[in-house]
Amino acid sequence: AQSVTQPDIHITVSEGASLELRCNYSYGATPYLFWYVQSPGQGLQLLLKYFSGDTLVQGIKGFEAEFKRSQSSFNLRKPSVHWSDAAEYFCAVGPGYSSASKIIFGSGTRLSIRP
Amino acid sequence: EAGVTQFPSHSVIEKGQTVTLRCDPISGHDNLYWYRRVMGKEIKFLLHFVKESKQDESGMPNNRFLAERTGGTYSTLKVQPAELEDSGVYFCASSQAIYNEQFFGPGTRLTVL
Repeated sequence: AQSVTQPDIHITVSEGASLELRCNYSYGATPYLFWYVQSPGQGLQLLLKYFSGDTLVQGIKGFEAEFKRSQSSFNLRKPSVHWSDAAEYFCAVGPGYSSASKIIFGSGTRLSIRP
Repeated sequence: EAGVTQFPSHSVIEKGQTVTLRCDPISGHDNLYWYRRVMGKEIKFLLHFVKESKQDESGMPNNRFLAERTGGTYSTLKVQPAELEDSGVYFCASSQAIYNEQFFGPGTRLTVL
């Protein structure tokens, strides 16, 4: 069955520190992978996506993610976090060219920033 | 260009009542999706419209939920009668083509007492 696991429910980091949010997936075919962010009162915003090619993907707001097929992982990173990065982050898979239209989300990781 | 809008932003109703959520997709987007997140769980797919037709409704939890998209523009999601376990945030998304990026609205927070 297709699934996405985000093992960290809540993470707190200091402003200026580096960040890594973990994501593991289970998917029958080559996955299409996404990271979304939801800030308070806002909708889900796409940070970045991986379809194929270079396994290191650059996104908006200085985020990047690396696809590792051998580990079924797609971890999100940022070298230096800002207070405005406090939000909830969702890893997701699908849709792809041969799969259904629905996106499958992980349960989310809430990020807090320590001043 | 306006994004996906949802109304209301928050609804509080009692068990057994009816609630209707509305979603206005981005203009020109034929594909419209409904998702929901119940407390502490992952965001789950409910259904997908292509224009006014239901392409995939495999995520609809039961027959208390009715989604419509008359004329292929805005969509409504009616819950009748509402139960306690229906509480959560309901998201709507739209995309131009089926494999394009889905743009999400801010969600409607539904609280059933």
